[in-house]
Amino acid sequence: DVKVTQSSRYLVKRTGEKVFLECVQDMDHENMFWYRQDPGLGLRLIYFSYDVKMKEKGDIPEGYSVSREKKERFSLILESASTNQTSMYLCASSPGTVTEAFFGQGTRLTVV
Amino acid sequence: EDQVTQSPEALRLQEGESSSLNCSYTVSGLRGLFWYRQDPGKGPEFLFTLYSAGEEKEKERLKATLTKKESFLHITAPKPEDSATYLCAVPGYSTLTFGKGTMLLVSP
Repeated sequence: DVKVTQSSRYLVKRTGEKVFLECVQDMDHENMFWYRQDPGLGLRLIYFSYDVKMKEKGDIPEGYSVSREKKERFSLILESASTNQTSMYLCASSPGTVTEAFFGQGTRLTVV
Repeated sequence: EDQVTQSPEALRLQEGESSSLNCSYTVSGLRGLFWYRQDPGKGPEFLFTLYSAGEEKEKERLKATLTKKESFLHITAPKPEDSATYLCAVPGYSTLTFGKGTMLLVSP
């Protein structure tokens, strides 16, 4: 079975902190994604990566950056956390661009 | 631009009361359609992939079907443990486009 593991289930951070969300997949997938999910807005793509050291902006990249130094690991960075970044963050991976994606368990981030 | 619309937004059923969820899409050349189940506070869990009109997939009480413009997720004799949000998605050029989901609640 594909396993996508996010480093934390719950996080509470203060406004202005730099926040790192880590994601690891064990299936050698080429593509990895970061989404945020908010009530009424659905899943929104923040960034994705189709190869090591490659990244592409999604629909809402402002305030975020990403890092993919190894194929299995994709990190989301909040440069200076703000309260409007309180959300559920979901990492996913997929073997190709037109294939199903597999999700981690999610990180519920609260910025106070 | 690819669009995916799910209906209804929420559905409440009694245990054993069969129903269907709808996922309509607008894409330039369908290359697949995916269904997911999401429990509260968790990540979406992959259920099915459908590739062509007329295709059907089944898993326990769930059956997914696909036409040229929409997909249905049929739930036969649901149980309370089927309560979840069901999402559908289609692949775009390089990422998936998701619908906003249907929240299903099955009461005993």
